[in-house]
Amino acid sequence: NAGVTQTPKFRVLKTGQSMTLLCAQDMNHEYMYWYRQDPGMGLRLIHYSVGEGTTAKGEVPDGYNVSRLKKQNFLLGLESAAPSQTSVYFCASSDRAGSSRFVQFFGPGTRLTVL
Amino acid sequence: AQKVTQAQTEISVVEKEDVTLDCVYETRDTTYYLFWYKQPPSGELVFLIRRNSFDEQNEISGRYSWNFQKSTSSFNFTITASQVVDSAVYFCALSEARNTDKLIFGTGTRLQVFP
Repeated sequence: NAGVTQTPKFRVLKTGQSMTLLCAQDMNHEYMYWYRQDPGMGLRLIHYSVGEGTTAKGEVPDGYNVSRLKKQNFLLGLESAAPSQTSVYFCASSDRAGSSRFVQFFGPGTRLTVL
Repeated sequence: AQKVTQAQTEISVVEKEDVTLDCVYETRDTTYYLFWYKQPPSGELVFLIRRNSFDEQNEISGRYSWNFQKSTSSFNFTITASQVVDSAVYFCALSEARNTDKLIFGTGTRLQVFP
């Protein structure tokens, strides 16, 4: 099992460009999350999904959109990138059943730089 | 409101020393979950432990041990006989049972173990 994977691993954008980050999980988890990690601020939740076709806002949703068309995939979009969105982005997934319930498993991260 | 405080920003020790990472949390719920994650220099987030609020037993896993004390709202993490491979940023996190989708992270403690 690959667990949680993220594409791409690195990306450099110019201000105003758009892009989509892809997250995929093979653990059949219901819940998926997007976080950003900035120095000295820990991880902050951007958006999350409690199931296929559903999404909800987290702590810092502005400037981002998400979609969960398939259970295993969770997409994070930046419509018009800004330098303030330079960060490391992590995807995670979890479930409410089993011995690992409520544990969020993380992908390797995507380092995004907006010039 | 829920909050996690990791007051130690950075700790440096010499190999074989014992080290304790502090975590203090705030929540109004009686049912909640506490977590520790490790982020090595490679960047991924590795799950270490989950503890629910009804289980105050301390846990030991090899050189790692966790001390959960509800009376002081603390969930401290001790590494015994530290090794260079323990060098990482360690995050404590909290989720409440009524909203397990929301994982609130502390700002992390950077541990450097020198040979």
